[in-house]
Amino acid sequence: ELKVEQNPLFLSMQEGKNYTIYCNYSTTSDRLYWYRQDPGKSLESLFVLLSNGAVKQEGRLMASLDTKARLSTLHITAAVHDLSATYFCAGVNSGYSTLTFGKGTMLLVSP
Amino acid sequence: DSGVTQTPKHLITATGQRVTLRCSPRSGDLSVYWYQQSLDQGLQFLIQYYNGEERAKGNILERFSAQQFPDLHSELNLSSLELGDSALYFCASSPRTTLGETQYFGPGTRLLVL
Repeated sequence: ELKVEQNPLFLSMQEGKNYTIYCNYSTTSDRLYWYRQDPGKSLESLFVLLSNGAVKQEGRLMASLDTKARLSTLHITAAVHDLSATYFCAGVNSGYSTLTFGKGTMLLVSP
Repeated sequence: DSGVTQTPKHLITATGQRVTLRCSPRSGDLSVYWYQQSLDQGLQFLIQYYNGEERAKGNILERFSAQQFPDLHSELNLSSLELGDSALYFCASSPRTTLGETQYFGPGTRLLVL
């Protein structure tokens, strides 16, 4: 059974700083997803990482995947307040398309 | 707006009751997924339907059931409700059931059981 662990679970940052959220998973996951959730809102897809070494960037966010280490990272560059949200990574259960989510990282960016 | 719609947005009911949550997937999407989000359990996959048939089952209680209709909308039925069933229930859809497809999430139904 796939298990997904994120850390940290809470991250308080100052604007302009860089930081990385880590996502470890326990067994083979064919894909790795990153989602964003604003308070009381739905989940918004950020990235889908399809293969080992995949790197995707959108604005100040960059996600990467290392399938050998079973690790994905979400790097935040020069954080701004608008990035404040909860970020989830999710792996795919082998043979299925269903997602197993991590507990989420609550990111708070303050001036 | 993901294109996935869910009704109702909020639902307040009492223990022992039964409720039905409804989901309409994005136009053209054949797969529908149901997830439960709660403070203690996090986001958990419940069940998936693909083109009217059950495709995968997760941590879904026996008191819960779902179906997908010919027009591809889906309903999640929760019965004999308990306080612990209070949660945010999300529906997501994707075009097929192919690995690597993005799942698009609806706005959710917030269920409060009193």
